[in-house]
Amino acid sequence: KAGVTQTPRYLIKTRGQQVTLSCSPISGHRSVSWYQQTPGQGLQFLFEYFSETQRNKGNFPGRFSGRQFSNSRSEMNVSTLELGDSALYLCASSLGFNGGSQPQHFGDGTRLSIL
Amino acid sequence: DQQVKQNSPSLSVQEGRISILNCDYTNSMFDYFLWYKKYPAEGPTFLISISSIKDKNEDGRFTVFLNKSAKHLSLHIVPSQPGDSAVYFCAASANSNYQLIWGAGTKLIIKP
Repeated sequence: KAGVTQTPRYLIKTRGQQVTLSCSPISGHRSVSWYQQTPGQGLQFLFEYFSETQRNKGNFPGRFSGRQFSNSRSEMNVSTLELGDSALYLCASSLGFNGGSQPQHFGDGTRLSIL
Repeated sequence: DQQVKQNSPSLSVQEGRISILNCDYTNSMFDYFLWYKKYPAEGPTFLISISSIKDKNEDGRFTVFLNKSAKHLSLHIVPSQPGDSAVYFCAASANSNYQLIWGAGTKLIIKP
């Protein structure tokens, strides 16, 4: 069974640009969550999608947005990039919307570097 | 406001001995707790979880203990093996809100 796939693995952008990251969940998983990880910080929750609807959103500015398609694949977009957006962006999928009790399965992340 | 805290950024343990990783939380509404393990350049991998109705859950070499009155949980690894060297994250959720709240992680180093 294929795991969670994130593309691209690495990305270099400059300030002011925008970027789109992609996540393909495990087949059959309908919930996709996005996280930002910076050195010394835990995973900071960005948002969670279930059946193409955003169910939950973390405390990030509106420059961070996402969407989910009918096949459960998800994209995350960051506009007007800032130096502080340099981070590892992780996507996780789980079977359904069932509180936090469903273990999430993570992709290997996209390492975004802003110059 | 860190609702989930892992106060030890790193921990070094001799191979074969017990590793104990600690996690404290402040939100009494949390009712589900999970531990994840992360190797460099990989995403976190689910390790073990515990519901607030239990105080212990065991899976092979891994045992998680929950002390609700102290708002504290710990992960015990016995015996520790070189492959256990990784960053360990604890996470918590309240059933009323799907969002997982994560600690900052503890880097475990197993010495040969």
